[in-house]
Amino acid sequence: DIQMTQSPSSLSASVGDRVTITCRASQGISSYLAWFQQKPGKAPKFLIYGAFSLQSGVPSKFSGSGSGTDFTLTISSLQPEDFATYYCQQYHSYPLTFGGGTKVDMK
Amino acid sequence: QLQLQESGPGLVKPSETLSLTCTVSGGSLSNSNDFWDWIRQAPGKGLEWIANIQSGGGTYYNPSLKSRVTISIDTSKNQFSLKLNSVTADDTAVYYCARRPPWRGFDIWGQGTMVTV
Repeated sequence: DIQMTQSPSSLSASVGDRVTITCRASQGISSYLAWFQQKPGKAPKFLIYGAFSLQSGVPSKFSGSGSGTDFTLTISSLQPEDFATYYCQQYHSYPLTFGGGTKVDMK
Repeated sequence: QLQLQESGPGLVKPSETLSLTCTVSGGSLSNSNDFWDWIRQAPGKGLEWIANIQSGGGTYYNPSLKSRVTISIDTSKNQFSLKLNSVTADDTAVYYCARRPPWRGFDIWGQGTMVTV
């Protein structure tokens, strides 16, 4: 199985901050990586696929980069609605696997 | 607008079989190459992929659960289903159904259903 490791597991930030979350795959996955946002009690929301392609309707403050084993999700200017947990997920090979999540909360 | 809705018992006894159904509305699951997936999330934990199926019946399973899981599809009812047998307390989770277009992430999710063992 491909292990997905996110860092940090949590971070505290303020409105307006630039936030970067890292996701590392245990083996190369090309660009077959997605990012999700999850708020408490809700289903995950699809943000990014192909490592950097924004899903339709997702604001441009979200961006993704990377390929191979190292990936990042960046929120350019954190807004109140962005406080949530973020997950990466690889779809290069089965079984599909998720990172452990990064909780972004208010400083 | 495609929507997914999980249904099934919220409480299952240990050693019994958990059965869930995902009903697709606003579109058909039979005329696409999409994957139809089940994912779960134990309380306070991360996401775990369980299995998927395509309209033609092709399936993939998570090896960690494969011996206990069956996924099936009923295109006439626009539904796909999950059965997990011999459940234990470790299977207590919110179970989500989701759509995954080929070579993309899960773009549409159901609201999730909490199952307690």
